[in-house]
Amino acid sequence: DAGITQSPRHKVTETGTPVTLRCHQTENHRYMYWYRQDPGHGLRLIHYSYGVKDTDKGEVSDGYSVSRSKTEDFLLTLESATSSQTSVYFCAIGGGLATDTQYFGPGTRLTVL
Amino acid sequence: AQSVTQLGSHVSVSEGALVLLRCNYSSSVPPYLFWYVQYPNKGLQLLLKYTSAATLVKGINGFEAEFKKSETSFHLTKPSAHMSDAAEYFCAVSVTNSGYSTLTFGKGTMLLVSP
Repeated sequence: DAGITQSPRHKVTETGTPVTLRCHQTENHRYMYWYRQDPGHGLRLIHYSYGVKDTDKGEVSDGYSVSRSKTEDFLLTLESATSSQTSVYFCAIGGGLATDTQYFGPGTRLTVL
Repeated sequence: AQSVTQLGSHVSVSEGALVLLRCNYSSSVPPYLFWYVQYPNKGLQLLLKYTSAATLVKGINGFEAEFKKSETSFHLTKPSAHMSDAAEYFCAVSVTNSGYSTLTFGKGTMLLVSP
């Protein structure tokens, strides 16, 4: 998985609780991304980062925030989890230029009860 | 806005048969297109990508795709399916905003391979 780890790999939480997912890379890549995967929707971009402290919103950013204080770590936070945020979350690195490949982590399965 | 559409959420083939997974794109500028594969409970892995260098692109595991501008298509093919090809396949287009590029994915096609 191209030097990308995600933690936790599985999490069950309750509605209204805060949740933070971590993506860690050892590739020293500038660009990092968070996607969610839902049946029938493919992958949808939540937020991305183009450098330390530089982030931007993606297609489905409502209810999510991110932070990147170090090159190797990109955190995704659900401030108050809802059942609609039950999903599989993938981190990716790479990209930046239009022809660049993105490399994906193993994913985190989040269930919000 | 750039987008891709994958025709067929599920495709079933027999082992040894031709695999054809369809992807059509919508783009006002020359697109850069990607095919990714996802095996069960795994992350996505790049199969191949079109970067305008050649219209026929060869990828890993015997897959290839042909960019056809006249048909706005980038279909994925493999001459002979193996059981190990059973997975979900995603087509994606690179989208550039404010100087940074991201990927927009299709909804995916699940490939089922029967003996």
